[in-house]
Amino acid sequence: ELKVEQNPLFLSMQEGKNYTIYCNYSTTSDRLYWYRQDPGKSLESLFVLLSNGAVKQEGRLMASLDTKARLSTLHITAAVHDLSATYFCAVGSISSGSARQLTFGSGTQLTVLP
Amino acid sequence: DAGVTQSPTHLIKTRGQQVTLRCSPKSGHDTVSWYQQALGQGPQFIFQYYEEEERQRGNFPDRFSGHQFPNYSSELNVNALLLGDSALYLCASSLAGAVSNQPQHFGDGTRLSIL
Repeated sequence: ELKVEQNPLFLSMQEGKNYTIYCNYSTTSDRLYWYRQDPGKSLESLFVLLSNGAVKQEGRLMASLDTKARLSTLHITAAVHDLSATYFCAVGSISSGSARQLTFGSGTQLTVLP
Repeated sequence: DAGVTQSPTHLIKTRGQQVTLRCSPKSGHDTVSWYQQALGQGPQFIFQYYEEEERQRGNFPDRFSGHQFPNYSSELNVNALLLGDSALYLCASSLAGAVSNQPQHFGDGTRLSIL
């Protein structure tokens, strides 16, 4: 059974600081997704990582994937208040379906303090 | 370009009742997946529909069933509701065989409360 673990679960940061969220998964996969969720809202796609060594950046967020270590990271640079949200990683797997079944981590609730 | 739409937004039911949730996929998408998100947790995969058939299923009991219509919209039905079924139910859509870097698109969800 595929397990996805994120840490930390809760993160309070000062504005302007850097930090990294970690996502470990238990079985081989070639699809790793990062989503953002604001309170009471749906999931917004941030990144799709497809291969070993993949790195993607959007603004103050950078995601990377190491398939050999089964590890993805989401790095936050010079945090600002607008980044406060819950961040989920998800591993995609497919058996008989037409699209990947996503297995999510528990989420990291990020609060950026002034 | 309409995104994924779900209805209703909120629903209150009592134990033992039955409920139907609805989802219209993003324009151009043909695959619908349903997820259950309990408070403070990550979404859990319920099942996926493509070509009007259930294609993949997560670890959910038979009380959870679904349907996909020819226009690709989908319904999630839950029978004999339990208190533990209280959650946000999310629908995600995608295009079968699409380029591999496309994410699934999520709707705003239906908040189901069981009393």
